[in-house]
Amino acid sequence: AQTVTQSQPEMSVQEAETVTLSCTYDTSENNYYLFWYKQPPSRQMILVIRQEAYKQQNATENRFSVNFQKAAKSFSLKISDSQLGDTAMYFCAFINSGTYKYIFGTGTRLKVLA
Amino acid sequence: GAVVSQHPSWVICKSGTSVKIECRSLDFQATTMFWYRQFPKQSLMLMATSNEGSKATYEQGVEKDKFLINHASLTLSTLTVTSAHPEDSSFYICSAKTGTVSYNEQFFGPGTRLTVL
Repeated sequence: AQTVTQSQPEMSVQEAETVTLSCTYDTSENNYYLFWYKQPPSRQMILVIRQEAYKQQNATENRFSVNFQKAAKSFSLKISDSQLGDTAMYFCAFINSGTYKYIFGTGTRLKVLA
Repeated sequence: GAVVSQHPSWVICKSGTSVKIECRSLDFQATTMFWYRQFPKQSLMLMATSNEGSKATYEQGVEKDKFLINHASLTLSTLTVTSAHPEDSSFYICSAKTGTVSYNEQFFGPGTRLTVL
């Protein structure tokens, strides 16, 4: 069975500091996609960053970057220069290239402290 | 682009009544739409997948007679919670996928909060 594990239920970080959220997954597939979604208090799911498994280069979007370790099945999210607006629930998600179903992790609640 | 709307955003109903939630893709044609349920402080749980013009595929444990899904057009899917009970109270989120976007990315609606009294 394919699973996504987020081992940190809650984290906090000081404003302007850097924080890393961990995510591991389990699959026997070779072609898949990984995503980090942010869910602020409004509950709207917002795509933060995505990574194709066949790409070795780690994805980067402004202050957000990932450390994708395919052999270890690890997909961590680094948030640099944390801002108060980054306070949200963060979900790691996995999807096979041949299916359309997301498999979500349990989420990490991040609080950025002023 | 790739905006998904849901209506209503919040609904309160009496036990035993039915509630319909709409999910619309505003600026693209959604070949596939998904319905999720999210309990407080928990992750999203996929309820069903719907393709335009065909019957929805429900996940294991989801009652298809309780949660009726219709995907009548490429821009509209509806979820009807029939004979709602307090245990059906939850946050319902839809998402949509277009066949032209790589990554198999889904675009999410803002969600609907259902409270059954």
